[in-house]
Amino acid sequence: GAGVSQSPSNKVTEKGKDVELRCDPISGHTALYWYRQSLGQGLEFLIYFQGNSAPDKSGLPSDRFSAERTGGSVSTLTIQRTQQEDSAVYLCASSLAGGDWSEQFFGPGTRLTVL
Amino acid sequence: AQTVTQSQPEMSVQEAETVTLSCTYDTSENNYYLFWYKQPPSRQMILVIRQEAYKQQNATENRFSVNFQKAAKSFSLKISDSQLGDTAMYFCASTEVSNYKLTFGKGTLLTVNP
Repeated sequence: GAGVSQSPSNKVTEKGKDVELRCDPISGHTALYWYRQSLGQGLEFLIYFQGNSAPDKSGLPSDRFSAERTGGSVSTLTIQRTQQEDSAVYLCASSLAGGDWSEQFFGPGTRLTVL
Repeated sequence: AQTVTQSQPEMSVQEAETVTLSCTYDTSENNYYLFWYKQPPSRQMILVIRQEAYKQQNATENRFSVNFQKAAKSFSLKISDSQLGDTAMYFCASTEVSNYKLTFGKGTLLTVNP
């Protein structure tokens, strides 16, 4: 079976524009996570989805960031009015179940560059 | 809140030799998990090894083993018989049983030289 996929692989945008990053988790995985990897901050948790439960958005850095997960599968991370400090690699991961730990499988990430 | 500290930004080792990467952590919980992840240039984060805090025995996975010192909150990774394919960024991470989020260290860039 396929692993976690993310698109696009790279995204270059201008400051102030909105961007959407997509994540396709492993089929059957109920938990989905977004992380951000940047030079200054390292790897940071952003948001977590588990089944039909309300997502844990505690890691989102500002209200310009939002994410949704449709049908319990594909997830989209949206960044509105992008800023240069949003430049980073955005990693998505999925696991069989959340709460009690099960291995998180990561996608290859989307490298976002804000000019 | 959890914190994870990796004090070695970069390390190098000769092929076939052994190298140890350091990691310390802090948590207020008694039960948690610790991990080492490998990130090669392809950016794909790969789980190398994990340790449950309630287990005293150190985890091993082929050439990879850990030295888990719970009292000292230390969790080092030993790579034996280093191979060129081990060249990557290595991240130490933790998650509390009550919390599913991974907290990562800053990473150690390991280079294996031929």
